[in-house]
Amino acid sequence: DGGITQSPKYLFRKEGQNVTLSCEQNLNHDAMYWYRQDPGQGLRLIYYSQIVNDFQKGDIAEGYSVSREKKESFPLTVTSAQKNPTAFYLCASSSAGPTDTQYFGPGTRLTVL
Amino acid sequence: GDSVTQMEGPVTLSEEAFLTINCTYTATGYPSLFWYVQYPGEGLQLLLKATKADDKGSNKGFEATYRKETTSFHLEKGSVQVSDSAVYFCALLNTGGFKTIFGAGTRLFVKA
Repeated sequence: DGGITQSPKYLFRKEGQNVTLSCEQNLNHDAMYWYRQDPGQGLRLIYYSQIVNDFQKGDIAEGYSVSREKKESFPLTVTSAQKNPTAFYLCASSSAGPTDTQYFGPGTRLTVL
Repeated sequence: GDSVTQMEGPVTLSEEAFLTINCTYTATGYPSLFWYVQYPGEGLQLLLKATKADDKGSNKGFEATYRKETTSFHLEKGSVQVSDSAVYFCALLNTGGFKTIFGAGTRLFVKA
């Protein structure tokens, strides 16, 4: 089955620690995205990548980093510089065409203790 | 810049009631418009979409018509079920763009 996987489902981290969230897709999509979701605020774009080895900052990139070494993978690192990292993180991908739908993973809920 | 505004929730309805969730947008050019649905604890999934003016998207009894003259894409369903309880997001993707713009989401509760 084609789709997007994110792991882990739940993640706990202590303040001051970096943590990496995994996102893998087997849809052969060129574009991948990371969003943050907070209650009542909808989705905010953190980073996106249109092709391998290239990515751009979204609206709230500070305190986050990404890499895109393979087409299938787009990991997100939440660094200690992110002041309020507790949130639900969603990864998505699309064919990057002009009318294309985004396909979402199941999300990772990060809690900072 | 491009933006999407949708009605605030939560919306609470009884089973078999009629549903409308309003969505308006601001965009240059000719965007594609989407409704996504998010069930508790899950990611978003596409509900329906429309790619040009006057198109009607439909799926699972939900419908929305792309109205360029009123810059709207309201979601409707004639008879909701308890299983429709979820958060609904209106979104747009502008021509040549890679960034989908999402509304804040509207939570729907359907009571039996």
